Amino acid sequence: DVKVTQSSRYLVKRTGEKVFLECVQDMDHENMFWYRQDPGLGLRLIYFSYDVKMKEKGDIPEGYSVSREKKERFSLILESASTNQTSMYLCASSLAGQGVETQYFGPGTRLLVL
Amino acid sequence: DAKTTQPPSMDCAEGRAANLPCNHSTISGNEYVYWYRQIHSQGPQYIIHGLKNNETNEMASLIITEDRKSSTLILPHATLRDTAVYYCIVRPLYNFNKFYFGSGTKLNVKP
Repeated sequence: DVKVTQSSRYLVKRTGEKVFLECVQDMDHENMFWYRQDPGLGLRLIYFSYDVKMKEKGDIPEGYSVSREKKERFSLILESASTNQTSMYLCASSLAGQGVETQYFGPGTRLLVL
Repeated sequence: DAKTTQPPSMDCAEGRAANLPCNHSTISGNEYVYWYRQIHSQGPQYIIHGLKNNETNEMASLIITEDRKSSTLILPHATLRDTAVYYCIVRPLYNFNKFYFGSGTKLNVKP
């Protein structure tokens, strides 16, 4: 079974703090993704990566950056956390290719910024 | 990109079949239909996907209409553990890394 793990289930931070959210997958997937999920808005893609050190912006990249130094690990960074970044953050991974790639999700990190 | 429309909520009796509809009238010829579900406070879980033909796996069946403008996810014998939000997603043709999740359907399975 594919396993995607996230470093924390719950996180509380203060405005202006730098926040690191880490995601690890154990299935040698090339693609990794970060989403945020908010009530009434569904899941929105922040960034994704299709290879080590490669990244592409999703739909809402503002205020976020990412890092992928190793294939299995994809980090989301909030440079200066703000209250509007309070949300559920979900990481996902998938195989590369132009066929049908299923995304597998981690359990999520619920971030509260005070 | 094709968008999907789903009812916000549905009820189903335990042990009965749950039929969840999805409209995707602007779907393109090579776009796949995916279904995921999300149980409260967990990450989304893959259920099934299809292109044109009906599909079945150990979790569910997917029925896609001939014109591909709508589909139905069928859980043949719903249990209380199937209570979740179910998302119907059409994967864009040239942005195969992007899954657009809408608001989904909250399925309430009742004893």
